[in-house]
Amino acid sequence: SSELTQDPAVSVALGQTVRITCQGYSLRSYYASWYQQKPGQAPVLVIYGKNNRPSGIPDRFSGPSSGNTASLTITGAQAEDEADYYCSSRDSSGNRVVFGGGTKLTVL
Amino acid sequence: EVQLVESGGGLVQPGGSLRLSCAASGFTVSSNYLSWVRQAPGKGLEWVSVIYSGGSTYYADSVKGRFTISRDSSKNTLYLQMNSLRPEDTAVHYCARVNTAMASWYFDLWGRGTLVTVSS
Repeated sequence: SSELTQDPAVSVALGQTVRITCQGYSLRSYYASWYQQKPGQAPVLVIYGKNNRPSGIPDRFSGPSSGNTASLTITGAQAEDEADYYCSSRDSSGNRVVFGGGTKLTVL
Repeated sequence: EVQLVESGGGLVQPGGSLRLSCAASGFTVSSNYLSWVRQAPGKGLEWVSVIYSGGSTYYADSVKGRFTISRDSSKNTLYLQMNSLRPEDTAVHYCARVNTAMASWYFDLWGRGTLVTVSS
């Protein structure tokens, strides 16, 4: 299968912890990467590999994974974290890439 | 500065063609894997195509046979030739660098995107 499944929308109270999940067969072979996208902007990489953050990404973002499920956890969500989040991985063939449908995060 | 800058988007009629360009700076296009990713208005990200440093190319089923990814080393530029365009190809098209340092690839650099609108 070449699909990654995400919940369409998730909400979190300011300062609380939220987990966004991504499920797919390819995640048994490859780690997911996670991208944050705000309106009118290009996606920004927030998590890659086995729970790695690029320079400049706050440490409240983490990305554990298990089996066919990858998670993006935001510990102590901030107002500026409100955005769309997408997971991605190589597909089962290894030659293509697949994205999840995206999760809209609302910070209340 | 390391960056990607797309150009070439615009309005085209169904069945028409368009070539997108993605100029890279700060790194060498031919030494990297590069992809095109698109996003229809109000929709999610959709992977379109990749070109390996060795020249192999792969496409999403939705564009296979209609789109061609290529690069020009002398101009350090990536291209996407889009033929037989359909209204459902309307999207912001991003170019992105694929980091392949580990088996699990990820996109570590994105352009700002260029809008392609297919309409009569």
